[in-house]
Amino acid sequence: EDKVVQSPLSLVVHEGDTVTLNCSYEVTNFRSLLWYKQEKKAPTFLFMLTSSGIEKKSGRLSSILDKKELFSILNITATQTGDSAIYLCAVGYSSGYALNFGKGTSLLVTP
Amino acid sequence: EAGVAQSPRYKIIEKRQSVAFWCNPISGHATLYWYQQILGQGPKLLIQFQNNGVVDDSQLPKDRFSAERLKGVDSTLKIQPAKLEDSAVYLCASSSRGVSWREGGETQYFGPGTRLLVL
Repeated sequence: EDKVVQSPLSLVVHEGDTVTLNCSYEVTNFRSLLWYKQEKKAPTFLFMLTSSGIEKKSGRLSSILDKKELFSILNITATQTGDSAIYLCAVGYSSGYALNFGKGTSLLVTP
Repeated sequence: EAGVAQSPRYKIIEKRQSVAFWCNPISGHATLYWYQQILGQGPKLLIQFQNNGVVDDSQLPKDRFSAERLKGVDSTLKIQPAKLEDSAVYLCASSSRGVSWREGGETQYFGPGTRLLVL
């Protein structure tokens, strides 16, 4: 059975801290790994990773994929209260376009 | 570019009642998805359409759930009759299949969701 496992499930940090969120996967027909940020309801797209070792960056967020060890990390530096959200990791398959999501990491950034 | 539209935003019904959700994807997106997100879980795919055809409905509880996308644009998801365990957020997403996946063609864009509470 395919698995997408995120850790930790929840995290509380202070503003200015750096956080690392983890996503490991065991799936067949892997094609891509995606990160989404979910505030309130709709997940919003952050990154899509398809190649190992190539870091993607957007402002204070960055992510990298390791296809040998089957995991990805999402880093957030200099966290702000606006980063408080659930961060979802999802795997995309070569056999189709549907995504397989992990349970998410709930991040709370306190002032 | 307008995003994915969904309605209603909230719905409260009693068990055994029926309910329908509507989704209008981003213009030009051929692929449409319905996900169910139970509190504390990641979204789970219910059904995937490519234009007006069903690509994957293996996780759709077909005894009570149905979905259609008759003209290949907007879509309706129905639950009849609803059970308590159907309480969840129902998310609709779309993607522009046909664009090279290396260019982000498979990135899914989500609507605001419909929060359903079954009493």
